[in-house]
Amino acid sequence: GENVGLHLPTLSVQEGDNSIINCAYSNSASDYFIWYKQESGKGPQFIIDIRSNMDKRQGQRVTVLLNKTVKHLSLQIAATQPGDSAVYFCAESNTGGFKTIFGAGTRLFVKA
Amino acid sequence: KAGVTQTPRYLIKTRGQQVTLSCSPISGHRSVSWYQQTPGQGLQFLFEYFSETQRNKGNFPGRFSGRQFSNSRSEMNVSTLELGDSALYLCASSFGKGTNTEAFFGQGTRLTVV
Repeated sequence: GENVGLHLPTLSVQEGDNSIINCAYSNSASDYFIWYKQESGKGPQFIIDIRSNMDKRQGQRVTVLLNKTVKHLSLQIAATQPGDSAVYFCAESNTGGFKTIFGAGTRLFVKA
Repeated sequence: KAGVTQTPRYLIKTRGQQVTLSCSPISGHRSVSWYQQTPGQGLQFLFEYFSETQRNKGNFPGRFSGRQFSNSRSEMNVSTLELGDSALYLCASSFGKGTNTEAFFGQGTRLTVV
């Protein structure tokens, strides 16, 4: 497959703290990046996206940072809540390609 | 508006059989992508359809096929099922035109091959 499976990295944070989830993408030609959240038994849910002409984009409690030089993407969640516990996937795509490649995912545990 | 609907939610098949999964996209969306999700390999892209045409394909054997109808509904078929095909199959829909836009996922079909 195109995203090699590994054991899922896990991030454990205290409720109220900020979380940072990191992702390295593979294709220099990718120009559209998305973060998804997947809760148990559900399909991935869109959180936030960013295009390659930006290096930062903010949503409600979430911020995505893009560093094209090192092909790195991060998701910052402010004031993490128990409801944020899920697996988070980064995904890359390129305009016109319509083929989205997902990272392996990071499991976020929020301790109350 | 209604989200992406996948049917059935759960399926058990025997090795060697074939299976057809269905995906109804969000109204107005013309792109449907299919993914296979397994614990060992994560989310892997199968193929993407737009206006009844396959626009992109992942690295899966020919046993995996799909199609899209004029109403944008899509089906994927897996023939000669193998134990390793047991997975959650997800479809996602988007407008799919011009620059990439947000894709919405269904809840998936959990396929178990025994």
